[in-house]
Amino acid sequence: SAVISQKPSRDICQRGTSLTIQCQVDSQVTMMFWYRQQPGQSLTLIATANQGSEATYESGFVIDKFPISRPNLTFSTLTVSNMSPEDSSIYLCSVEGRGTDTQYFGPGTRLTVL
Amino acid sequence: GQQVMQIPQYQHVQEGEDFTTYCNSSTTLSNIQWYKQRPGGHPVFLIQLVKSGEVKKQKRLTFQFGEAKKNSSLHITATQTTDVGTYFCAGPGYGQNFVFGPGTRLSVLP
Repeated sequence: SAVISQKPSRDICQRGTSLTIQCQVDSQVTMMFWYRQQPGQSLTLIATANQGSEATYESGFVIDKFPISRPNLTFSTLTVSNMSPEDSSIYLCSVEGRGTDTQYFGPGTRLTVL
Repeated sequence: GQQVMQIPQYQHVQEGEDFTTYCNSSTTLSNIQWYKQRPGGHPVFLIQLVKSGEVKKQKRLTFQFGEAKKNSSLHITATQTTDVGTYFCAGPGYGQNFVFGPGTRLSVLP
């Protein structure tokens, strides 16, 4: 399994601002995934990030709101733009297990928007 | 689109009692995975089932994949307080998407 770190672990932000979340993996991976988990809810995939190409967004998520960077095979960022209280959630990055399609998750970033 | 459902939503058991959560997909799955999320933690991969009718065990946990590959179950024998958390099933969706069930939240009373 991969070791995944995320920064920040938590943040409290004001409405209308933006926050960039970083995800670092200890090994090279082709795909990285960004999920959102609202309080008490399941995980919803925001987008899939491949190195060297545009991220693929799921229905209901758009690049202007959640721009993603993937500059190399071990790092990705997710920005939550023009935040509103509805964006308060845990944001998790994940990677696939090598040779499998299982998921390994980072510790998550707990975001509160006031 | 594909839907993955789980029942029950919540389960409260006394320590030592058994627990089962059920997962149902609207479509046939090539595989199904189970994850555990402790309170305040992140989801942790438990197991993957691939074959029709497959049964796998991990100590007190027994995982089963249905013959039609549309349902699965997780059974915990003699629950312990360390089993507390939310159990999610997940399956591959279209493309690289993964579809997670809503989860079953287990609480264990000592």
